[in-house]
Amino acid sequence: NAGVTQTPKFRVLKTGQSMTLLCAQDMNHEYMYWYRQDPGMGLRLIHYSVGEGTTAKGEVPDGYNVSRLKKQNFLLGLESAAPSQTSVYFCASTSEGETQYFGPGTRLLVL
Amino acid sequence: GQQLNQSPQSMFIQEGEDVSMNCTSSSIFNTWLWYKQDPGEGPVLLIALYKAGELTSNGRLTAQFGITRKDSFLNISASIPSDVGIYFCAGRMAGNNRKLIWGLGTSLAVNP
Repeated sequence: NAGVTQTPKFRVLKTGQSMTLLCAQDMNHEYMYWYRQDPGMGLRLIHYSVGEGTTAKGEVPDGYNVSRLKKQNFLLGLESAAPSQTSVYFCASTSEGETQYFGPGTRLLVL
Repeated sequence: GQQLNQSPQSMFIQEGEDVSMNCTSSSIFNTWLWYKQDPGEGPVLLIALYKAGELTSNGRLTAQFGITRKDSFLNISASIPSDVGIYFCAGRMAGNNRKLIWGLGTSLAVNP
């Protein structure tokens, strides 16, 4: 039981490049979330999903897209990376009424 | 977006001291959660609270769900160096089980 895993762990992009962050969970959780964490800003919700094939916007969705084609996977895409998207990205998952379990994070640097 | 008021923002204490931090909200919550984040890691759940007035312990940690359902506190007794990290409170509002509202964190440093 690996819990929540994220790939890659670290990535450097140039402005304008695209990439996809992958989150996978093996706990059969319904809900999955993508957060970004910046110094002094806490955790801010980007997008979330309440089930396979569904997604919803969070607090800071601009510049990101997501997909939940399989229940266990939640992908976060950056179509055209900007320096403002330099951050640490965390994925989390949970089921109804339960607590959120977090992955180890992906550190993204956009130059 | 809505956030919880978490205080203090940071603490620097001596090993062995007790620590207290709290979160408040203008809205009623039906769940309060306390997480710890070690450097370079994702947040890990410490304590979950589901009822007003509930007092729950996890080793040297104790947390309470406020009677008004608008606040919660976390106490750490006899701090040790491995308590270093960022502590986050999070809450779930009544009628919304899908998203958590987060505090900005309390950064704890422990001097051995």
